[in-house]
Amino acid sequence: QLQLQESGPGLVKPSETLSLTCTVSGGSISTYNYYWGWIRQPPGKGLEWIGNIYYRGGTYYNPSLKSRVTISLDTSKNQFSLRLTSVTAADTAVYYCASLPGGNIVGRVDYWGQGTLVTVSS
Amino acid sequence: DFQMTQSPSSLSASVGDRVTITCRASQSISNYLNWYQQKSGKAPKLLIYSASSLQTGVSSRFSGGGSGTDFTLTISSLQPEDFAIYYCQQSYSTPWTFGQGTKVEIK
Repeated sequence: QLQLQESGPGLVKPSETLSLTCTVSGGSISTYNYYWGWIRQPPGKGLEWIGNIYYRGGTYYNPSLKSRVTISLDTSKNQFSLRLTSVTAADTAVYYCASLPGGNIVGRVDYWGQGTLVTVSS
Repeated sequence: DFQMTQSPSSLSASVGDRVTITCRASQSISNYLNWYQQKSGKAPKLLIYSASSLQTGVSSRFSGGGSGTDFTLTISSLQPEDFAIYYCQQSYSTPWTFGQGTKVEIK
């Protein structure tokens, strides 16, 4: 069973870059036909898809965030990362990392990290 | 983007009740519909995928149905551990989008 754990700063200043890492255990991020994604949830609100990366490295980003987002893999550390530039208070949220099996049925999250709250404030 | 609308936004029910939550898509999404349960302060948990397939390890009191634009999540006999927020999510078209959530509370 996969386990995912987010890590990174809990406080980021406006206009700076938010950087989070997800460490995967119980399996390899190079697992055939798997996607690795990021989803966020502003306090008291619903869920927003940020983007995902395929095990071979191809990426998809939500068009609403595309100009500011980068997701990358580090297979040597079994981790994947999120960078979000030029953050504002609207980026304050709990950020979840997630695993998504590929195949015929893509887009469902089978494992989630516990989530990490990132607050954007000076 | 495909908009997902859940109803009701919240409901109160008693242990043992049968509960049904509805999710409507702004366009047809075939059966590319997933349901998640989120308890307070926790990450969501996948319950149902492809509209009606039960995720491994999830209680059989949860069931899903529908196709096209209209979907349902049914809890056959509500248990104390089922009080949570439930979200639908379409995986038919990127960006994948979620409904606003339905909060199931104790009556």
